[in-house]
Amino acid sequence: GAVVSQHPSRVICKSGTSVKIECRSLDFQATTMFWYRQFPKQSLMLMATSNEGSKATYEQGVEKDKFLINHASLTLSTLTVTSAHPEDSSFYICSAREDGGEETQYFGPGTRLLVL
Amino acid sequence: GNSVTQMEGPVTLSEEAFLTINCTYTATGYPSLFWYVQYPGEGLQLLLKATKADDKGSNKGFEATYRKETTSFHLEKGSVQVSDSAVYFCARSSSNTGKLIFGQGTTLQVKP
Repeated sequence: GAVVSQHPSRVICKSGTSVKIECRSLDFQATTMFWYRQFPKQSLMLMATSNEGSKATYEQGVEKDKFLINHASLTLSTLTVTSAHPEDSSFYICSAREDGGEETQYFGPGTRLLVL
Repeated sequence: GNSVTQMEGPVTLSEEAFLTINCTYTATGYPSLFWYVQYPGEGLQLLLKATKADDKGSNKGFEATYRKETTSFHLEKGSVQVSDSAVYFCARSSSNTGKLIFGQGTTLQVKP
């Protein structure tokens, strides 16, 4: 089956530092990936659509300069949380849609970010 | 509007009980419909899907039928296990963006 990995799985950082999260499709190519944020006991909130070779499309209310997305290859998208603050602490989940496949999104295991 | 609505949880059942988690959607056109499951501390796993009316998705004893007339995609399982305890998300595709629109999630707790 289609597998998506994320790294790191957990990260603790100091306020003001930047954190990079990687999302990889392991056995398929994905021109399109998605980044979500999930607060405890809540549903997923779509942050942005990551497009290989072009700029990401951000959802309303999501700061593009705060959450930098780079989709440099057909199997890798990165999310960088810049100048992180405690309110950025959350569970970040990526998903990937297989090129030429159906609309199904395959999700990564998530990254737990804690900003002190 | 375009949305997905799930029954509120938590749903608490005894082992081997019958499970139904209701899901209804609003949309223009005929979206694909999905159920995802999230175990504690993990990402989402695709449980099953249906891409057109009257299709039935099934996996691991779970089933859901795409009902166009009632715009529903209710999740059912005949006999739940403790290991089924998780959060279940219903979702539909967005026709021209590739995005998924999620319901709010329903927590299932199965007790021995």
